[in-house]
Amino acid sequence: NAGVTQTPKFRVLKTGQSMTLLCAQDMNHEYMYWYRQDPGMGLRLIHYSVGEGTTAKGEVPDGYNVSRLKKQNFLLGLESAAPSQTSVYFCASSSSGRTYNEQFFGPGTRLTVL
Amino acid sequence: DAKTTQPPSMDCAEGRAANLPCNHSTISGNEYVYWYRQIHSQGPQYIIHGLKNNETNEMASLIITEDRKSSTLILPHATLRDTAVYYCIVRVGYGQNFVFGPGTRLSVLP
Repeated sequence: NAGVTQTPKFRVLKTGQSMTLLCAQDMNHEYMYWYRQDPGMGLRLIHYSVGEGTTAKGEVPDGYNVSRLKKQNFLLGLESAAPSQTSVYFCASSSSGRTYNEQFFGPGTRLTVL
Repeated sequence: DAKTTQPPSMDCAEGRAANLPCNHSTISGNEYVYWYRQIHSQGPQYIIHGLKNNETNEMASLIITEDRKSSTLILPHATLRDTAVYYCIVRVGYGQNFVFGPGTRLSVLP
């Protein structure tokens, strides 16, 4: 199993450009998450999804949109990128079948907005 | 809302036990405490979780105080590969909002 994969690994954008980050998981997990991590800081939750077709806002949702059209994929979109969105983006997934929540993380996407 | 506080950094000698503290004084009665670590810039890796009782797995032990206001992650025999940032996290509010603070940067020294 590949676990959680993220595409692309690196990307450089100019201010105002748009892009979509793809997260895929092959563990049949119900829950998926998008986090961002700025230098020297912990992870902050952007959006999450508790199932196909459902999404919810996290701690820092502004400037981002998400979609979960298929259970195995969770897309993060930036409609008009800003330098403040320069960060490392991590996707994670977890099973809904347990009382606790063990998240499996992808390797990250390093995004630079100029 | 439940949040956590951790020391920003700690050192530990190789082969010795590393004890990483976490304060979560506002945690609600039915919320788990989770520990993750992040090596270099990789994605965080789950270590262990607990509710009320002490827990142990192949990676670490978790000691939770009786009042649940704090916990300690114990790496019994730290190795150089345990050098990482360790996060103690809890769920905040409703839904799946897990908050990762700055964590503790553990340096295992030879």
